[in-house]
Amino acid sequence: NAGVTQTPKFRVLKTGQSMTLLCAQDMNHEYMYWYRQDPGMGLRLIHYSVGEGTTAKGEVPDGYNVSRLKKQNFLLGLESAAPSQTSVYFCASSRGSGIFNYGYTFGSGTRLTVV
Amino acid sequence: TQLLEQSPQFLSIQEGENLTVYCNSSSVFSSLQWYRQEPGEGPVLLVTVVTGGEVKKLKRLTFQFGDARKDSSLHITAAQPGDTGLYLCAGAIGATNKLIFGTGTLLAVQP
Repeated sequence: NAGVTQTPKFRVLKTGQSMTLLCAQDMNHEYMYWYRQDPGMGLRLIHYSVGEGTTAKGEVPDGYNVSRLKKQNFLLGLESAAPSQTSVYFCASSRGSGIFNYGYTFGSGTRLTVV
Repeated sequence: TQLLEQSPQFLSIQEGENLTVYCNSSSVFSSLQWYRQEPGEGPVLLVTVVTGGEVKKLKRLTFQFGDARKDSSLHITAAQPGDTGLYLCAGAIGATNKLIFGTGTLLAVQP
């Protein structure tokens, strides 16, 4: 009964380094999302996917790339990390849309610090 | 830019008190959800409402969706320390799968 699993939970990067955040869900959900959460800014959508092989930009996509090669996995990449990308990153998944949007299941987050 | 405004931003109360958190927007939502987030964890879904005027109860929590589907409220009766956390409302517009999140209400219930 894992739900949404994010790895790693914590990471410190130096400016300019790259990394990939991994997200896996075992609920057969079609939709997956990457958010960042910053104090006073709430949850902001970075990228999302409506199905295997598809991705789309969210509210704050610059500096990030994503891939969804398998339905259960959604990867978030930082090619050249910047201090402004210091944040807590959440992955989420869901099924349905509109009035059939029954809510998101979130992972427990990745706390990233870029120095 | 669609906005979901929550009020109050912070609330500190004593155990046993009642409270109400508000979520307001100028946009019409096809569905609205409430989440609670504890420190170091992701948000957890509490409820989804889809019909204007709908009221849902979850033990001591009562959720209401406005008649025009632009606003919602969360009322907690006899708050307990276990209710402490960040409460987030989130709305879906039209047929989209994407949610717009409010900035949250941070609740602290003192024993």
